[in-house]
Amino acid sequence: ETGVTQSPTHLIKTRGQQVTLRCSSQSGHNTVSWYQQALGQGPQFIFQYYREEENGRGNFPPRFSGLQFPNYSSELNVNALELDDSALYLCASSRTDRAMYEQYFGPGTRLTVT
Amino acid sequence: AQTVTQSQPEMSVQEAETVTLSCTYDTSESDYYLFWYKQPPSRQMILVIRQEAYKQQNATENRFSVNFQKAAKSFSLKISDSQLGDAAMYFCAYKGRSTGNQFYFGTGTSLTVIP
Repeated sequence: ETGVTQSPTHLIKTRGQQVTLRCSSQSGHNTVSWYQQALGQGPQFIFQYYREEENGRGNFPPRFSGLQFPNYSSELNVNALELDDSALYLCASSRTDRAMYEQYFGPGTRLTVT
Repeated sequence: AQTVTQSQPEMSVQEAETVTLSCTYDTSESDYYLFWYKQPPSRQMILVIRQEAYKQQNATENRFSVNFQKAAKSFSLKISDSQLGDAAMYFCAYKGRSTGNQFYFGTGTSLTVIP
């Protein structure tokens, strides 16, 4: 069984740029959630995708957007990067019928905005 | 909005001893789920244990057990026979049954295991 993978591992961007982060779900999982984890903080829910549509969103501005593909992989896009966007971005996948508690996390992408 | 509070930023325990990590939460829901996640230095978050609010019996997974006090909105994690591999950040998380798909995480407790 393949686990959740994310790419890239690390990324450095300049303020105002755009970034795309990628996530591959665990085999058999059809739901993907994205989280932002600032240094010293717990993960903050950005949004969730199910059946290629956004299925819930946290308190993040519209410049955070996402996609889910037919193979259930997902992208997180952030436009007009700000210094406060520097964080670890975590992806978690789950199965719809067990979405209540079976979330499996990827290793994360460390984004640094300078 | 639901909030999860972990009041112990750092904890330490001697190898083979027992340690308890605290978590409280605030919610108006009666049906929800609670979790403890472990995040080792490699960063991959791992589910340690979960508790469904409608179950009165405390969850147990090998050396890990919880003390769930619904009325007090408290959900502590007990680690018995602590091992060096238990050293990590531990996050308490909440998910309501009726509040969509959002998980709410606490700020974490950094656990050090002393050999």
